[in-house]
Amino acid sequence: DAKTTQPNSMESNEEEPVHLPCNHSTISGTDYIHWYRQLPSQGPEYVIHGLTSNVNNRMASLAIAEDRKSSTLILHRATLRDAAVYYCILRPPPPAQKLVFGQGTRLTINP
Amino acid sequence: EPEVTQTPSHQVTQMGQEVILRCVPISNHLYFYWYRQILGQKVEFLVSFYNNEISEKSEIFDDQFSVERPDGSNFTLKIRSTKLEDSAMYFCAVPGDWQETQYFGPGTRLLVL
Repeated sequence: DAKTTQPNSMESNEEEPVHLPCNHSTISGTDYIHWYRQLPSQGPEYVIHGLTSNVNNRMASLAIAEDRKSSTLILHRATLRDAAVYYCILRPPPPAQKLVFGQGTRLTINP
Repeated sequence: EPEVTQTPSHQVTQMGQEVILRCVPISNHLYFYWYRQILGQKVEFLVSFYNNEISEKSEIFDDQFSVERPDGSNFTLKIRSTKLEDSAMYFCAVPGDWQETQYFGPGTRLLVL
């Protein structure tokens, strides 16, 4: 399973943008970059995923480096409800099976 | 976005007892997955189930564990003889459209005494 590296924790202020980095230098050509988050006392929640191009959805944006060895999840305007553990996961294309979670980045949002 | 419910939300059991955890997706799925998370640790894959057969399992998923789809809709995870170290949150998940994503249930918190 391809490995990702994320900071253990990050802190930001409410209503400010947050950039969560992820390094994945051993990514293969067919691996998708997925982001999930886990709010306190809840199951993991899908955030966004991409292959090569940057992606935007209602929750976040995903910026993928040109060499695909790193990516950044961008929360454009953090709220207190965005406080969670964020996981960057590499996943083969469908019909892929399991998700392999690392320790993730614990994001704290200050009011 | 698929919805998944799990029952029970909490279960306390004595060591050596059998437990059955249930997962009920709102819509029909051929795939489902079970994961667990020991308190303070990362989410770990247990097993994936496709079309009534196990398609992949981790080394955690030993002979004490089994999965079933008893009635064509809900899915169960059975632990035959629970151990203290089975205490954890257990999550089931189903794939989204195109199987690119997974949607997780709220989990069952299992406490083995």
